Amino acid sequence: GAVVSQHPSWVICKSGTSVKIECRSLDFQATTMFWYRQFPKQSLMLMATSNEGSKATYEQGVEKDKFLINHASLTLSTLTVTSAHPEDSSFYICSARDPVADTQYFGPGTRLTVL
Amino acid sequence: AQTVTQSQPEMSVQEAETVTLSCTYDTSESDYYLFWYKQPPSRQMILVIRQEAYKQQNATENRFSVNFQKAAKSFSLKISDSQLGDAAMYFCAYRSRTNKLVFGAGTILRVKS
Repeated sequence: GAVVSQHPSWVICKSGTSVKIECRSLDFQATTMFWYRQFPKQSLMLMATSNEGSKATYEQGVEKDKFLINHASLTLSTLTVTSAHPEDSSFYICSARDPVADTQYFGPGTRLTVL
Repeated sequence: AQTVTQSQPEMSVQEAETVTLSCTYDTSESDYYLFWYKQPPSRQMILVIRQEAYKQQNATENRFSVNFQKAAKSFSLKISDSQLGDAAMYFCAYRSRTNKLVFGAGTILRVKS
């Protein structure tokens, strides 16, 4: 199946710093990518939809200035958590939609810990 | 807005036995897709099976099959000949026309040897 990578797989940062997470589709062009957040033993919550070349669409309750999303190319989307605080600690997962296969493929996730 | 409900927080099955995971959903759309995803301890989301709403025939993938009841808005997953590697969190998901996925709360499946 298609592969989606995320980098880094885990990151620890100090409160107040910013962290960037990359999501890449390795063998297909993804016009749309999605960012999710998952707390332990809970479901995935969609944070935003990222469309190549346009502004991301955020779900209700997600702070746009806090979670900056950029989708500069058909294979790369980035999520930047700005001025991170301990409550931002979570597991962040991206997915990329292959329009040809009409399927979303998920990245392996990034564990963020804010001290 | 669409909602997906998984009413079984945890299920257990004996190795080689069959288990069914339940899922119901609510939508006003007539055209949509339903999925079951598996999330093992590695937390990598793995697609198990998908069902197009316009298809009456239930999807099957090897030991995995679904019982899709469109009128009842029910979409259960049956795992036959359960294996230790099937132990994971299973999520039912609905995909709307906007391609967004809405997930259920998940069901933890434990497989006993």
